[in-house]
Amino acid sequence: NAGVTQTPKFRILKIGQSMTLQCAQDMNHNYMYWYRQDPGMGLKLIYYSVGAGITDKGEVPNGYNVSRSTTEDFPLRLELAAPSQTSVYFCASSYATGFSNQPQHFGDGTRLSIL
Amino acid sequence: KQEVTQIPAALSVPEGENLVLNCSFTDSAIYNLQWFRQDPGKGLTSLLLIQSSQREQTSGRLNASLDKSSGRSTLYIAASQPGDSATYLCAVSNQAGTALIFGKGTTLSVSS
Repeated sequence: NAGVTQTPKFRILKIGQSMTLQCAQDMNHNYMYWYRQDPGMGLKLIYYSVGAGITDKGEVPNGYNVSRSTTEDFPLRLELAAPSQTSVYFCASSYATGFSNQPQHFGDGTRLSIL
Repeated sequence: KQEVTQIPAALSVPEGENLVLNCSFTDSAIYNLQWFRQDPGKGLTSLLLIQSSQREQTSGRLNASLDKSSGRSTLYIAASQPGDSATYLCAVSNQAGTALIFGKGTTLSVSS
């Protein structure tokens, strides 16, 4: 069972470079999320999507962009990498929102360093 | 703005002990609360989800309770084992129900 798959697992970027973090799920979940986790902190929501073609900002969206062209994929793009974006990025998916019983399923994360 | 606090930040216990992890939240208007486990270098694994209308959920040696009126949840781990060593995260759904708001976690170490 693949679940939520994130690539790459590790990446080092130089300031100003751009990259796309990939996320794919094979559970036919409509809802997908991107979080970042800084050392010693809880996860903070960057963007979320409630279905293909629909995305919205979370708590910390600045410096990031997303798209959702298919149910399965939800890539996160960094356009101009900054040291403040050094973090661990987690993608998650679920059948529905907090209104329902469905738990969120998480990938193993992408560890990103900006130097 | 919803805030989630977990106490203690770290906990060390000998194998076999029963223990309680605490989670508090500032806004009682939640839709559900989840407890997660995170192993070093890994993603999050959902342990228990409690609906806002429920008082508790159980899975094996784990029992989670929810008191919305006081803004508190506890995770009870019975007969702890070294394999329970991990960081435990509490999260509540935001008011729009579109995402989770996380605490910083409790790092548990169980020694044999």
